[in-house]
Amino acid sequence: GAVVSQHPSRVICKSGTSVKIECRSLDFQATTMFWYRQFPKQSLMLMATSNEGSKATYEQGVEKDKFLINHASLTLSTLTVTSAHPEDSSFYICSASASWSSGKETQYFGPGTRLLVL
Amino acid sequence: DQQVKQNSPSLSVQEGRISILNCDYTNSMFDYFLWYKKYPAEGPTFLISISSIKDKNEDGRFTVFLNKSAKHLSLHIVPSQPGDSAVYFCAATYTGYALNFGKGTSLLVTP
Repeated sequence: GAVVSQHPSRVICKSGTSVKIECRSLDFQATTMFWYRQFPKQSLMLMATSNEGSKATYEQGVEKDKFLINHASLTLSTLTVTSAHPEDSSFYICSASASWSSGKETQYFGPGTRLLVL
Repeated sequence: DQQVKQNSPSLSVQEGRISILNCDYTNSMFDYFLWYKKYPAEGPTFLISISSIKDKNEDGRFTVFLNKSAKHLSLHIVPSQPGDSAVYFCAATYTGYALNFGKGTSLLVTP
């Protein structure tokens, strides 16, 4: 159980266009979803925390007007990279937080989206 | 400021032997620790976790040890298999906060 999907898995776009990435929790409800970015040979870096029905909380240095996050339901969060530029090319990963009967939370990650901006 | 550190960027182990991946953390508020495995161009896969009230957790070939006084945890894989070759991320969190990741250790298991 606890499957998280992302769509698309990879996308190539022209500079200046916008790209939307979807993150879905398939078999559980996630009140909180997280968006990460990974540059080559670096750790996953948290971009923002997305709570269902409220505004996302962005990490320092992440432009909220450039990386639009919408968490419209308990199973779907979207990240839109607006006016993408080549430096936005990266691997974007979402995760969804699941709370179990044991009382502990575990994050489950999506498979990631490879974005290449030409 | 890196709160979770994996000081070995890479590790090579022979098939059948034990792989030991280490992780250190600085924030004493962390109370839950996780290990993830990641293949190139894929999202991380959850492997095993441990709560701060425990010092050991086993799941098949994977065992995680936690030494709170030293702020250190380790992942033991025994016996190691070629399919275990991947990047392993250590992560730490406390209630309500996102995961803090280490930079990862690339494990290579050779036949």
